[in-house]
Amino acid sequence: EAGVVQSPRYKIIEKKQPVAFWCNPISGHNTLYWYRQNLGQGPELLIRYENEEAVDDSQLPKDRFSAERLKGVDSTLKIQPAELGDSAVYLCASSLSGSNTGELFFGEGSRLTVL
Amino acid sequence: RKEVEQDPGPFNVPEGATVAFNCTYSNSASQSFFWYRQDCRKEPKLLMSVYSSGNEDGRFTAQLNRASQYISLLIRDSKLSDSATYLCVVNTGFQKLVFGTGTRLLVSP
Repeated sequence: EAGVVQSPRYKIIEKKQPVAFWCNPISGHNTLYWYRQNLGQGPELLIRYENEEAVDDSQLPKDRFSAERLKGVDSTLKIQPAELGDSAVYLCASSLSGSNTGELFFGEGSRLTVL
Repeated sequence: RKEVEQDPGPFNVPEGATVAFNCTYSNSASQSFFWYRQDCRKEPKLLMSVYSSGNEDGRFTAQLNRASQYISLLIRDSKLSDSATYLCVVNTGFQKLVFGTGTRLLVSP
């Protein structure tokens, strides 16, 4: 069974440029998360979806970040314009809805470098 | 105060040693607790859940102290392959999983 797929794996852009990340969760997983992980830190939640509904986006910097999950499957995370401080690994994860196992399945991440 | 706090380490131990990590959480209403493992430049993966009664999986033992709001992970007979970052994760409610900063473990020959 395929795991969580993310692309691109690496992205280098100049500040003020836009960037987008894509995520395809595990089939059947209705819950999708976007996390950001800075060097030496743990993942920090940006947004969580239940199907196509964003149920927790309190940590998403809405002035420059946006996300969508139109059909309740794939998701995209966009940053426009990017700032130097946005350099990080953006992790997508998925899980079964209502699961209390705490098991999130992460993709390999998209490593962003903003110059 | 951070919701989940861990000593970032690194913990340097020789093979065969026993090592323990602690993690504290601030929200007393937190519902469930987990340890994840993250290898260098890889994604985090679930290591084990933490139950009130404590639980063991081979060389790994996890314990929860709700009164003091801390979680521990004990690794016995450390292997080189145990070298990784161990992330403490707390479900603070409504399926919101909060990660600690992680504790880095280095096991040397």
